[in-house]
Amino acid sequence: DGGITQSPKYLFRKEGQNVTLSCEQNLNHDAMYWYRQDPGQGLRLIYYSQIVNDFQKGDIAEGYSVSREKKESFPLTVTSAQKNPTAFYLCASSINREGSILHFGNGTRLTVT
Amino acid sequence: GESVGLHLPTLSVQEGDNSIINCAYSNSASDYFIWYKQESGKGPQFIIDIRSNMDKRQGQRVTVLLNKTVKHLSLQIAATQPGDSAVYFCAENAGNMLTFGGGTRLMVKP
Repeated sequence: DGGITQSPKYLFRKEGQNVTLSCEQNLNHDAMYWYRQDPGQGLRLIYYSQIVNDFQKGDIAEGYSVSREKKESFPLTVTSAQKNPTAFYLCASSINREGSILHFGNGTRLTVT
Repeated sequence: GESVGLHLPTLSVQEGDNSIINCAYSNSASDYFIWYKQESGKGPQFIIDIRSNMDKRQGQRVTVLLNKTVKHLSLQIAATQPGDSAVYFCAENAGNMLTFGGGTRLMVKP
């Protein structure tokens, strides 16, 4: 059954610690994305990757980092430089970047105290 | 479950009634639009899409209408059911990147 898996569903960290969120897809999609979702706001793009070993900053990349060493994996690291890291993080993929439908995972809720 | 929007516009409808969710988009160059449904604790799911060369597209119980003159998109859900309760997002594509609206919460009263 194809899809996108994000883990863990809930994550708790102390301020000042880096944390990595996992995203795996078995859809054989070229493009992958990370979005942040805050209450009352739409999805905001953090980073995206069109192909292995390549990624681009989105609208709110500061304080985040990503890697794309494998086609099926696109982990997101929330660094201690991110001023307001508590949020719901969504990973998505699409066949390519050319206006394709995004398929989303079920998200990771990160709480930093 | 996961709170995806504490301060979202809310539409409350009676079960069995039709629902209309509206979205104003910003970029006149947008040529592709998608509606997503997000249930509590889950990621958004694709509902229906429409390209700018169309003004209406129908799916199963859902219809999307596009008015390019006033940059307005709407999602109509026929015979709304309790399972339709969710947050609905519109997304526009211009320059090969989707931009999402803030979302509308649909609540279905039994």
